[in-house]
Amino acid sequence: GAVVSQHPSWVICKSGTSVKIECRSLDFQATTMFWYRQFPKQSLMLMATSNEGSKATYEQGVEKDKFLINHASLTLSTLTVTSAHPEDSSFYICSARDLGGGPAGTQYFGPGTRLTVL
Amino acid sequence: AQKITQTQPGMFVQEKEAVTLDCTYDTSDQSYGLFWYKQPSSGEMIFLIYQGSYDEQNATEGRYSLNFQKARKSANLVISASQLGDSAMYFCAMRAYFSNDYKLSFGAGTTVTVRA
Repeated sequence: GAVVSQHPSWVICKSGTSVKIECRSLDFQATTMFWYRQFPKQSLMLMATSNEGSKATYEQGVEKDKFLINHASLTLSTLTVTSAHPEDSSFYICSARDLGGGPAGTQYFGPGTRLTVL
Repeated sequence: AQKITQTQPGMFVQEKEAVTLDCTYDTSDQSYGLFWYKQPSSGEMIFLIYQGSYDEQNATEGRYSLNFQKARKSANLVISASQLGDSAMYFCAMRAYFSNDYKLSFGAGTTVTVRA
């Protein structure tokens, strides 16, 4: 089946530092990847859509300068949280759309990254 | 725009029994897809089952089945013979086909706890 990995699975950083999270599709190509943020016991909130070779599309209210997204290849998208602050602490999860398989539009998710900013 | 409603924040079910998770949706689109995902405490979102709006038969995947009632705009998930490992949060999601952005709209989720 379609497998998506995320790295790191958890990270603790000091306020003001930047953190990079990688999202990889391991056994399929993904022209489109998505980045979500999730608070405890809540639903997923879409932050941005990452398209290979082009700029990411951000949802309303998401600061593009704070959450930098790069989709450099068909299997890798990265999210960089710049100058992180405690309010950025959250669970970040990515997904990838499988071009070649799965029901139309199925997104396959990574295991998520838990970010804690001290 | 699509809206997904899951009215059951939490449910308890006895092991080996069946459980139905409710999902209703609101859309003006004629062509769309409905998805169910499972999120255990580890956090990973696991794709369970898909139903297309033009599919005439209800989708089934192992112990999961989707009770699709198009006129009522509902897509309830049925888990048969519950197992302890089914304890998780379950999300209903939807995507409109004419949209080229492939975005999913998610419901608020339902937490299922399976009791031994």
